[in-house]
Amino acid sequence: AQSVTQLDSHVSVSEGTPVLLRCNYSSSYSPSLFWYVQHPNKGLQLLLKYTSAATLVKGINGFEAEFKKSETSFHLTKPSAHMSDAAEYFCASNQAGTALIFGKGTTLSVSS
Amino acid sequence: GAGVSQSPSNKVTEKGKDVELRCDPISGHTALYWYRQRLGQGLEFLIYFQGNSAPDKSGLPSDRFSAERTGESVSTLTIQRTQQEDSAVYLCASSLDGNGNTIYFGEGSWLTVV
Repeated sequence: AQSVTQLDSHVSVSEGTPVLLRCNYSSSYSPSLFWYVQHPNKGLQLLLKYTSAATLVKGINGFEAEFKKSETSFHLTKPSAHMSDAAEYFCASNQAGTALIFGKGTTLSVSS
Repeated sequence: GAGVSQSPSNKVTEKGKDVELRCDPISGHTALYWYRQRLGQGLEFLIYFQGNSAPDKSGLPSDRFSAERTGESVSTLTIQRTQQEDSAVYLCASSLDGNGNTIYFGEGSWLTVV
């Protein structure tokens, strides 16, 4: 069975500082991994996805994530936070032919 | 349509009534998912349809919940005898074939049970 653990329920950063949102996955087979963002009262937007190609994946809005099989991790990073990055972030895992399973989410707060 | 379409966008219903929520996936997408998101919480998997395979119903919380899909198009999520704890956003998503392809979400159906 697959599972996704987001290690931090809430992360607070200052504008202009780096962002790190942590995600660990558990899967019997090589999964596809995703990061989604959800702004208040808005739908889910795909930030980036990993599907067994390059282990460093670049997404939208300056975000990127690195797949580390040895650590079963897929942490999301951004070099410099912007106020507009404040939102809820979800890590998700998908094995071929199965449902997409989400972590519980990390709330990112950005202060000026 | 261009994206995943859900209706109604908002629904207020009385406790004990049945509700139906509709999802129109992106044309050509064989995989369809339903999720529930309670206020301030994460996404809870409900059910997954993939082509003509038997759906994965492992996430349905009780027998009051059921879903159907007509071929590879419209899906309906039905909640019978609604309870206040059913109040949530119900999100539908679709992808090309469920094999790591991007999964696109609808805007959700906001259900309030009073």
